[in-house]
Amino acid sequence: DAGVIQSPRHEVTEMGQEVTLRCKPISGHDYLFWYRQTMMRGLELLIYFNNNVPIDDSGMPEDRFSAKMPNASFSTLKIQPSEPRDSAVYFCASIRGGSLFGEQFFGPGTRLTVL
Amino acid sequence: GDSVTQMEGPVTLSEEAFLTINCTYTATGYPSLFWYVQYPGEGLQLLLKATKADDKGSNKGFEATYRKETTSFHLEKGSVQVSDSAVYFCALSGGYSTLTFGKGTMLLVSP
Repeated sequence: DAGVIQSPRHEVTEMGQEVTLRCKPISGHDYLFWYRQTMMRGLELLIYFNNNVPIDDSGMPEDRFSAKMPNASFSTLKIQPSEPRDSAVYFCASIRGGSLFGEQFFGPGTRLTVL
Repeated sequence: GDSVTQMEGPVTLSEEAFLTINCTYTATGYPSLFWYVQYPGEGLQLLLKATKADDKGSNKGFEATYRKETTSFHLEKGSVQVSDSAVYFCALSGGYSTLTFGKGTMLLVSP
């Protein structure tokens, strides 16, 4: 299997612009997680989906952040408008329901820089 | 709520030295415990796990034992290599769908 795929790997944008991050989970995995990693705050869970339905979005920092999962093989995380404090590495992870939940499979991440 | 506390890094060692990275946790019930590793420029990978008290997880020469009495899950390796340089995350799963991560400990191994 190709693993979790994220695009783009790097994104540089200017403050106020819209940013869309993309994720393709491993085929057959029905849980998908979005994380954000920064030096100051470490690894934070933003939102997760089960069978394409958002289950818990309490980690989404503000209304500027939104996430969708239109089908089992694709999810997006959108930031609009972006701000410099959104600069971070964003990870997507997936797991098959019924597995031990700790065994999440992570993508390589998208490094976002907002100028 | 659940929480994980790891020793702060960086931990700097010479090749072949003994490694310990401390991890303690707070959780209700009986969580499963994990160590993840993140190599530079990559996502996190599961290194080892333990699902109940006194279990020992092991992989690639790394070991950790689930100690319920001390609520700990310390990571150890007898002889580190330069290729072990990475960030190590301790995590727990309380039986729900999510993981709670520690802040990570950077390990730097010099030749």
